[in-house]
Amino acid sequence: GENVEQHPSTLSVQEGDSAVIKCTYSDSASNYFPWYKQELGKRPQLIIDIRSNVGEKKDQRIAVTLNKTAKHFSLHITETQPEDSAVYFCAAPITGTASKLTFGTGTRLQVTL
Amino acid sequence: TAGITQAPTSQILAAGRSMTLRCTQDMRHNAMYWYRQDLGLGLRLIHYSNTAGTTGKGEVPDGYSVSRANTDDFPLTLASAVPSQTSVYFCASSVGLGQEAFFGQGTRLTVV
Repeated sequence: GENVEQHPSTLSVQEGDSAVIKCTYSDSASNYFPWYKQELGKRPQLIIDIRSNVGEKKDQRIAVTLNKTAKHFSLHITETQPEDSAVYFCAAPITGTASKLTFGTGTRLQVTL
Repeated sequence: TAGITQAPTSQILAAGRSMTLRCTQDMRHNAMYWYRQDLGLGLRLIHYSNTAGTTGKGEVPDGYSVSRANTDDFPLTLASAVPSQTSVYFCASSVGLGQEAFFGQGTRLTVV
């Protein structure tokens, strides 16, 4: 069926290094690709999103890239800081009877000092 | 602004009992969702509603029911709870289907 796959499931980086998380989706009609950050015990919150009419979007240390041909999109975090430690989820609207956001299984990012 | 709120924040429930998880949003969003979050499985969609008066099944609907009598409220009911329904439940809303979702604070449910 239609789904969203996310890799890696865990990622450990040293403070100041970059982190990259990748997602692939199966529905070629998907046109909206958000990334959510969930801190321990908190709700998921949107950190950045991209629509299918652009290939890259940046917001300070965070960027998202989209390759519609290959059906994958990635989250890039530069100059990582301890407060970046969290679980990150990608999502895409999977069409069927309606376009509902389907989430990846999450990546636990640990930024070590 | 309240945004989207859930109640209760946590609950311990005996197997076989029924329970309704409440969700209310004040953003006048058309679409609302219920997800469950389990370790290693991410957020899985239980039910959704794209507008008041309509509902649809998500990825894991069995054992759950929803209603959408008005724009603001989207309760989730477990008719006869089982231990496998132990999870953290998140309600979310968005302007429309497939758009940015705003999440409630979650309900931690333990079925014993």
